[in-house]
Amino acid sequence: EDKVVQSPLSLVVHEGDTVTLNCSYEVTNFRSLLWYKQEKKAPTFLFMLTSSGIEKKSGRLSSILDKKELFSILNITATQTGDSAVYLCAVEGVGGATNKLIFGTGTLLAVQP
Amino acid sequence: DVKVTQSSRYLVKRTGEKVFLECVQDMDHENMFWYRQDPGLGLRLIYFSYDVKMKEKGDIPEGYSVSREKKERFSLILESASTNQTSMYLCASSPRVFRGNSNQPQHFGDGTRLSIL
Repeated sequence: EDKVVQSPLSLVVHEGDTVTLNCSYEVTNFRSLLWYKQEKKAPTFLFMLTSSGIEKKSGRLSSILDKKELFSILNITATQTGDSAVYLCAVEGVGGATNKLIFGTGTLLAVQP
Repeated sequence: DVKVTQSSRYLVKRTGEKVFLECVQDMDHENMFWYRQDPGLGLRLIYFSYDVKMKEKGDIPEGYSVSREKKERFSLILESASTNQTSMYLCASSPRVFRGNSNQPQHFGDGTRLSIL
């Protein structure tokens, strides 16, 4: 059965800390891995990773994929209170007329002032 | 920017009612999806559609049906609402995937928090 596991489930840090969020997966016919940030409303897209070892970066956020060990990490440096959110990892498998996403349960990040 | 709009942010209905959740996207996307999100379970796919009038079951379709009469609109229907369908419902859309084209992520609406009393 396809599955995506995120760790830790929750994390409390102080402003300025660096955090690493983990995502491991077992998915048939892997196509891509995606990270989303969810505050009170819609999950917003952060990164899509398809190739091993190539870091994607956006400001203080970065992410990398290891297709051999089947995991990805999301790093946030110099955290701010605005980074507080649930971070969702999803893996896209190939199949049928469209590609479906399988989501992990998310990591709840709380950044304290 | 992709805009996915769900008709209601909050909805309260009674057990046994027929409930309609509406979703509209403005980017001419072929694919549309309905998820529900529950604490500890993450997002789970209910139904998806890859074209007008086409639909496929996701992982948890029981108790739900869908309708896609127009490309931009995807409706989720609870035929006879039950208390275990109290949840956050999220709609998403994405372009069709063709061999060789670049991947495009799913874009989500703000969600409808549905309570069944």
